[in-house]
Amino acid sequence: GAVVSQHPSRVICKSGTSVKIECRSLDFQATTMFWYRQFPKQSLMLMATSNEGSKATYEQGVEKDKFLINHASLTLSTLTVTSAHPEDSSFYICSALRQGEANTEAFFGQGTRLTVV
Amino acid sequence: GNSVTQMEGPVTLSEEAFLTINCTYTATGYPSLFWYVQYPGEGLQLLLKATKADDKGSNKGFEATYRKETTSFHLEKGSVQVSDSAVYFCALPMYSGYSTLTFGKGTMLLVSP
Repeated sequence: GAVVSQHPSRVICKSGTSVKIECRSLDFQATTMFWYRQFPKQSLMLMATSNEGSKATYEQGVEKDKFLINHASLTLSTLTVTSAHPEDSSFYICSALRQGEANTEAFFGQGTRLTVV
Repeated sequence: GNSVTQMEGPVTLSEEAFLTINCTYTATGYPSLFWYVQYPGEGLQLLLKATKADDKGSNKGFEATYRKETTSFHLEKGSVQVSDSAVYFCALPMYSGYSTLTFGKGTMLLVSP
């Protein structure tokens, strides 16, 4: 299957600093990527839809100024958590949409564990 | 939008036991249905999918049948292994024709030797 790489897999940062998480589609181009947040023992909550070359679409309740999303190329989307606080600690997962002639399928990165201390 | 409900876990089984994880959905039309698996500390992997009613998705010994009469997509495996221990998510598109998925809450499966 297609490969989506997320980096870093784990990061610890101090409160008040910013952290950037990268999501790359390694073997296909993705005009659309998604960012999810997963709390412990809970499901994935969609944060935003990232579209190459345009502004991201945020879900209700997600602060766009806090969670900056940039999708500058067809293989890379970044999520920057600005002025991070302990409540931002979570598991962040991206997925990239591979759109083919036969079907469209979402592939997921391995996730990033963010801990804000 | 569409939604999915799956049984809460954890489900605890002995190796070689039969597994069923229930999933029911509410949707407009007949969207594709998915099961994803998440191993500890990792992202999600597509386990299987079904694209239309009565389709059976299968992979690695797991099966699920798309049943429109009962709006269900239950996951089954005849003989589980310790390595199957993971969290399983049922999913479908959030809206008809939309590619973003909405997920169930996940069911943790714990298999002991």
